[in-house]
Amino acid sequence: EADIYQTPRYLVIGTGKKITLECSQTMGHDKMYWYQQDPGMELHLIHYSYGVNSTEKGDLSSESTVSRIRTEHFPLTLESARPSHTSQYLCASSEWGGAGETQYFGPGTRLLVL
Amino acid sequence: GENVEQHPSTLSVQEGDSAVIKCTYSDSASNYFPWYKQELGKRPQLIIDIRSNVGEKKDQRIAVTLNKTAKHFSLHITETQPEDSAVYFCAVPPTGGFKTIFGAGTRLFVKA
Repeated sequence: EADIYQTPRYLVIGTGKKITLECSQTMGHDKMYWYQQDPGMELHLIHYSYGVNSTEKGDLSSESTVSRIRTEHFPLTLESARPSHTSQYLCASSEWGGAGETQYFGPGTRLLVL
Repeated sequence: GENVEQHPSTLSVQEGDSAVIKCTYSDSASNYFPWYKQELGKRPQLIIDIRSNVGEKKDQRIAVTLNKTAKHFSLHITETQPEDSAVYFCAVPPTGGFKTIFGAGTRLFVKA
C-alpha cells in the first residue's frame, strides 16, 4: 500500500547530539516537505523539495539540513540538537499541482531534547 | 505571497450542533481549497476539498463552501459527534509558487 513512513517514531536525545530523522514514501510523488508541529498547533514548514537534487528552506529552517538523493527518500538532519528542537516533525509528500495538490503526511517523529 | 487566515482558533459545541470554520486567502489565482483533520496523536488527513469552479461540495455531514469574490472558504460540520473533536486546517496550495500555505488551525471540541 502506498504510504509515507517515518523513523524513529519517538526519540529522546541529549543536547549537542547530531540526529537524522528518516522519511520515505512509496506514493511516487516528486514533492516532499518537512514540518515542525507542537501537538495540535500550527504547521511550520522547515524544508521542501521539488524532486531529486532539489532542496529549499522553509520559514523555519531550524538549524537543520535535508538531502534528496532518491525520489522516495528525504532525511532531515539536526547538526546539534537543542531543547528548543523538542517538537513533533512531520514529513509529507504531494504531486505537482495540476487541478489540485493534496499533501499526504507521515505519522511523525516525536523528538525530546534534554 | 499567499496569506491564509483561519478563524476561530478554538471552537466548542454541544453534540448535535453545527460547527463552522472559515478561512480567508489573498491570492485571487488560487483554485483548489482542501481541508485537513488532525485527531489527537495522529497525522493530518484530507477530509474534503473544493475547486474554484464550484461554490459548494458536500460529503455526508461535512461541506465546504467557497466565495471566490470575497476570497474565503468555509468548512461546515452538521450534527457534530464527539469523534469530530480534532484540529482542522485549511490550506491553499500553490499556483505560481511551490509551497502550500496552511491556516493556523482550529481546535474543535464536541461536548457529549
